[in-house]
Amino acid sequence: NAGVTQTPKFRILKIGQSMTLQCTQDMNHNYMYWYRQDPGMGLKLIYYSVGAGITDKGEVPNGYNVSRSTTEDFPLRLELAAPSQTSVYFCASKGGSGAYEQYFGPGTRLTVT
Amino acid sequence: AQTVTQSQPEMSVQEAETVTLSCTYDTSESDYYLFWYKQPPSRQMILVIRQEAYKQQNATENRFSVNFQKAAKSFSLKISDSQLGDAAMYFCAPNAGGTSYGKLTFGQGTILTVHP
Repeated sequence: NAGVTQTPKFRILKIGQSMTLQCTQDMNHNYMYWYRQDPGMGLKLIYYSVGAGITDKGEVPNGYNVSRSTTEDFPLRLELAAPSQTSVYFCASKGGSGAYEQYFGPGTRLTVT
Repeated sequence: AQTVTQSQPEMSVQEAETVTLSCTYDTSESDYYLFWYKQPPSRQMILVIRQEAYKQQNATENRFSVNFQKAAKSFSLKISDSQLGDAAMYFCAPNAGGTSYGKLTFGQGTILTVHP
């Protein structure tokens, strides 16, 4: 199993550009999450999904959108990129509620200039 | 909403010695779970240990153990026989149960340096 994969690994955007960060998991997990990690800080939840067709906002959703059309994929869309969105983005998935661990992708480092 | 405090921005330990990383949290939930994640320089997030709040017994995973004090809302991580590979940033992350859908709230992290 590949686990959770994210593409791209690195990206530089100009202010005002848009892009989609891809996330795919092959563990048939219902729960998926997007986090951002600013330098020297902990992760903050952007959006999450509990199954195909169901998404909801996390702690820092402004400037982002998500969709979940399949169990495997959970893309994160950045519209009108701003320097404040410079961060490392992590996608994660989880097999169920409770004590199940979240499995993380390797992250995408995004710089907006 | 949960809040998580890791009061030690940095810690250091000699190889083979023991170190304890602290974490306190605030939650109104009665059913929840607690996790410690490790993030080495590769930035990959790796689960170290987990604790169910309803269990009185502290969790142990090889050289890693926790001291869970539910009333004090404290969840510290003890690393015994520290190894160079333990050097990383460590995050405490509670997860409220029920309808929280497994969402994690992360602390600010503690950078652990291991000296040979």
